[in-house]
Amino acid sequence: GAGVSQSPSNKVTEKGKDVELRCDPISGHTALYWYRQRLGQGLEFLIYFQGNSAPDKSGLPSDRFSAERTGESVSTLTIQRTQQEDSAVYLCASSLGFNNEQFFGPGTRLTVL
Amino acid sequence: KNEVEQSPQNLTAQEGEFITINCSYSVGISALHWLQQHPGGGIVSLFMLSSGKKKHGRLIATINIQEKHSSLHITASHPRDSAVYICAVMGSNYKLTFGKGTLLTVNP
Repeated sequence: GAGVSQSPSNKVTEKGKDVELRCDPISGHTALYWYRQRLGQGLEFLIYFQGNSAPDKSGLPSDRFSAERTGESVSTLTIQRTQQEDSAVYLCASSLGFNNEQFFGPGTRLTVL
Repeated sequence: KNEVEQSPQNLTAQEGEFITINCSYSVGISALHWLQQHPGGGIVSLFMLSSGKKKHGRLIATINIQEKHSSLHITASHPRDSAVYICAVMGSNYKLTFGKGTLLTVNP
């Protein structure tokens, strides 16, 4: 069956541009998570969705970051006015509900020049 | 101090050896996850547990809630087990907090 998919797999952008990263979770998974992994560092929690709502946005690094989810399905993470420190792999995961096993997507590698 | 501490940070073993990776945490949790990250970057969930012990193939995970400690064991290690193993805890706010990972290298 289909797993979690993310697009694009790689994105190179210039400083100051906006980027949109997409996540397609496993069908039927109500919980969706976004994480970030900077080069050589551990995973950081960014945001999670229960259905289409995000009860906890505390992990978003700045107000340049936003995320939405529609139809209890696809989610988009948007980074406005990208900075070089935004360069990282952005990972999405989904699960049947909270406190269930999370299934990870392959990630989007973002490089900000 | 990180909320989730893993040890060792790096581990090199010979094929066939028994491996143990430890994870200690300092907060109350609802569940603990063990994840495997392959050299290419893909992440696979190995276990999610909130008490006791789970076994899957050559992998065993245990957790002691009172001591706030979990271990991941690999029996009869193989070079294909080489990866980064990550411990993560889920608190009451359903947010995962990650350890820094243990880089395991199994030599043939």
